[in-house]
Amino acid sequence: GAGVSQSPRYKVAKRGQDVALRCDPISGHVSLFWYQQALGQGPEFLTYFQNEAQLDKSGLPSDRFFAERPEGSVSTLKIQRTQQEDSAVYLCASSLAPGGRTDTQYFGPGTRLTVL
Amino acid sequence: SQQGEEDPQALSIQEGENATMNCSYKTSINNLQWYRQNSGRGLVHLILIRSNEREKHSGRLRVTLDTSKKSSSLLITASRAADTASYFCATGYNNAGNMLTFGGGTRLMVKP
Repeated sequence: GAGVSQSPRYKVAKRGQDVALRCDPISGHVSLFWYQQALGQGPEFLTYFQNEAQLDKSGLPSDRFFAERPEGSVSTLKIQRTQQEDSAVYLCASSLAPGGRTDTQYFGPGTRLTVL
Repeated sequence: SQQGEEDPQALSIQEGENATMNCSYKTSINNLQWYRQNSGRGLVHLILIRSNEREKHSGRLRVTLDTSKKSSSLLITASRAADTASYFCATGYNNAGNMLTFGGGTRLMVKP
């Protein structure tokens, strides 16, 4: 079946622009995660949704980062007034059960954001 | 910041050889997962091992977990050029919410 999809795959933004990154999780998956991966490093947690509820946003680096999942399926990560340090790959993952740390997380291909 | 540590950071071997990667973590875990990432692509799940398990196999992959030493290893037997990728361990800590905490990864190159 279809896996996790993300769009766009690549995004170039000028410093100060707003960007929106989309994630389509596997159908029926309750949990959805966003991670940020800097070049040459492992992914770092940003935020977690259980259905439409954002239960953990402790990893969001600043109030310029905002995520939503209004109907409990598709999610959008928005970054306002982008800065060069926001350049990274943004990964979305979903898992079937609530509380994804006990379950396999399936990752999308990521969106590579470059801020000039 | 990364919570786990992988060792080595980079590994280069010949096709047919075995590759061993190690991962250490810090506190009590529910499970430990290994992922592979090819250049420019997303993470592919390989194996999940729970805290009450000591060893798991999947094809050419063997994962061990030693909770007393807070460490895990991933062994790839009879490596192939297609195994060239970065390998990450990710832990589900018992006291760290619902996220996975990733290490910095081991970059494996298998030469044909």
